[in-house]
Amino acid sequence: AQKVTQAQTEISVVEKEDVTLDCVYETRDTTYYLFWYKQPPSGELVFLIRRNSFDEQNEISGRYSWNFQKSTSSFNFTITASQVVDSAVYFCALSEAESNYQLIWGAGTKLIIKP
Amino acid sequence: DAGVTQSPTHLIKTRGQQVTLRCSPISGHKSVSWYQQVLGQGPQFIFQYYEKEERGRGNFPDRFSARQFPNYSSELNVNALLLGDSALYLCASSLSKREASYNEQFFGPGTRLTVL
Repeated sequence: AQKVTQAQTEISVVEKEDVTLDCVYETRDTTYYLFWYKQPPSGELVFLIRRNSFDEQNEISGRYSWNFQKSTSSFNFTITASQVVDSAVYFCALSEAESNYQLIWGAGTKLIIKP
Repeated sequence: DAGVTQSPTHLIKTRGQQVTLRCSPISGHKSVSWYQQVLGQGPQFIFQYYEKEERGRGNFPDRFSARQFPNYSSELNVNALLLGDSALYLCASSLSKREASYNEQFFGPGTRLTVL
């Protein structure tokens, strides 16, 4: 079974629209970590955020915000007022004891921001 | 400061050949991890090395091997290449041997390997 599911393969929006990228995870551990990474066309993965399972507070960083809900095993990512430079593939990842805390990645969501 | 560097950028090999990919971590980082990213998928963990010792291994066949040198740079070797080995190979460095959950990993641009 998929441990990290990003159901949206590709999303296309017009610049300045808000967009939410979904991430659903599966784990039996009580202590785990969730991540979001951005992969622009250059290929380098860029770290965006890490949350642990005991901290359900939502986080905001500029135009980026993250909604962590343990009840639905989701860790969604919202970009407000999107910009063309936000175009990239975004990955959600899970780190858990059962997998020796190595990163387990979702398949990614390709985000296209049209001018 | 230089980020994680990888060489070569692109590589084309034929089935059955062997390939060596190279990675130089960020200065001061002692841990290097290798990932395979097949087109359209998320990365898959291959190895983690710290202080020249293997600290973690993913679900990859023995054709895949790696090592880390005293200067913390690393090589990934793949023998008897198969068509399915075609992928982007990513290297990531971090400060310590702790797992990804504790350390932010910094990724290089990757090596694009094509097996014909």
